[in-house]
Amino acid sequence: AQSVTQPDIHITVSEGASLELRCNYSYGATPYLFWYVQSPGQGLQLLLKYFSGDTLVQGIKGFEAEFKRSQSSFNLRKPSVHWSDAAEYFCAVGLTGGGNKLTFGTGTQLKVEL
Amino acid sequence: EAQVTQNPRYLITVTGKKLTVTCSQNMNHEYMSWYRQDPGLGLRQIYYSMNVEVTDKGDVPEGYKVSRKEKRNFPLILESPSPNQTSLYFCASSERGTGAPGNTIYFGEGSWLTVV
Repeated sequence: AQSVTQPDIHITVSEGASLELRCNYSYGATPYLFWYVQSPGQGLQLLLKYFSGDTLVQGIKGFEAEFKRSQSSFNLRKPSVHWSDAAEYFCAVGLTGGGNKLTFGTGTQLKVEL
Repeated sequence: EAQVTQNPRYLITVTGKKLTVTCSQNMNHEYMSWYRQDPGLGLRQIYYSMNVEVTDKGDVPEGYKVSRKEKRNFPLILESPSPNQTSLYFCASSERGTGAPGNTIYFGEGSWLTVV
């Protein structure tokens, strides 16, 4: 069964600093990878997704993620964090044949210091 | 506007009192799912449906029922709620399965359920 690991439960960065959120997956074939963001009291918003092709994926709000097959990773990055980026971030993996199921990581809570 | 609408958004209920959380999507999607979100566990799939009258269990189906009588609706039923079902619930829908290129999964805003 596939699994997703987000090793950092909490991360604190200063506004304007760069950000990298880690995500590792375990899956035998090429996975379909997603990053979602959840602001306090809100639903889930898709930041970006990877299906195939270029391993560097651009998303909304200035985020990008890089798929590295050799490391089984799909880390999320942003060059300069804004205070409004404070939220919880979820990495997820999907597979063919599982309906529209996503397997989520446990999330990383991002705090931004002004 | 593409929407997945859940109701109620907030509910406090008592143990054993049957309740239904409704989910409706306006995108004519075939695939729908229910997830629950718990601290430290992320989101886990409860049930999913690939079309009308086609449903299947996800990872944590115990204590839940679903039905898919119409394409747009996918209600989640708790026949006899217990405190361990206190959680944040999300409904999701998509046009195709997860692996279909370009497929986007849309989530509702969530339903906070407390069982006392």
